[in-house]
Amino acid sequence: QKEVEQDPGPLSVPEGAIVSLNCTYSNSAFQYFMWYRQYSRKGPELLMYTYSSGNKEDGRFTAQVDKSSKYISLFIRDSQPSDSATYLCAMRHGSGNTGKLIFGQGTTLQVKP
Amino acid sequence: DSGVTQTPKHLITATGQRVTLRCSPRSGDLSVYWYQQSLDQGLQFLIQYYNGEERAKGNILERFSAQQFPDLHSELNLSSLELGDSALYFCASSVARSWADTQYFGPGTRLTVL
Repeated sequence: QKEVEQDPGPLSVPEGAIVSLNCTYSNSAFQYFMWYRQYSRKGPELLMYTYSSGNKEDGRFTAQVDKSSKYISLFIRDSQPSDSATYLCAMRHGSGNTGKLIFGQGTTLQVKP
Repeated sequence: DSGVTQTPKHLITATGQRVTLRCSPRSGDLSVYWYQQSLDQGLQFLIQYYNGEERAKGNILERFSAQQFPDLHSELNLSSLELGDSALYFCASSVARSWADTQYFGPGTRLTVL
């Protein structure tokens, strides 16, 4: 079983829809949670970063963390065709002296005009 | 543009060969990370260097090695290449004032082994 599970999709939604992307994890040592966006053949780009349970909002994006359920989500409001990309969740331990990230498989999102 | 540069963008080579991938971190970043992205395994951590020293190792094969030079650029060496080594290789960098800081990814090197 992988430490981080993410539904690979693909997920197709109409423009303006609310998108919900999710990851579950098994290791309770994970304390830092990130969402990266990756356009085709490009490097991942950090969207959201959080280290506590609860919600964090940035424009149309909201990251949600539930440590008790080992579950994180990314919500995209008013989705746009430019949001079409692969979304990767990533996590790292809260202790130790390494920045090693563990990634989910990535969910491919297509927003149709 | 993240500020992390990687060369070359594409590399096509044959099985059994050796290649070197190069990464220049963002100005001021001390830590460099290498990741491999393949269709079946996703994005996987290979190795981390901090200010010239190896800091952490992930699922890196013995045929692979890396180093970080005094000017902080890094190279990933892949030898005795196999078909299964075909993947995207990403370098990321961070300031590493704390291990929770943000990693910025480069554009990647696409390696094709024929």
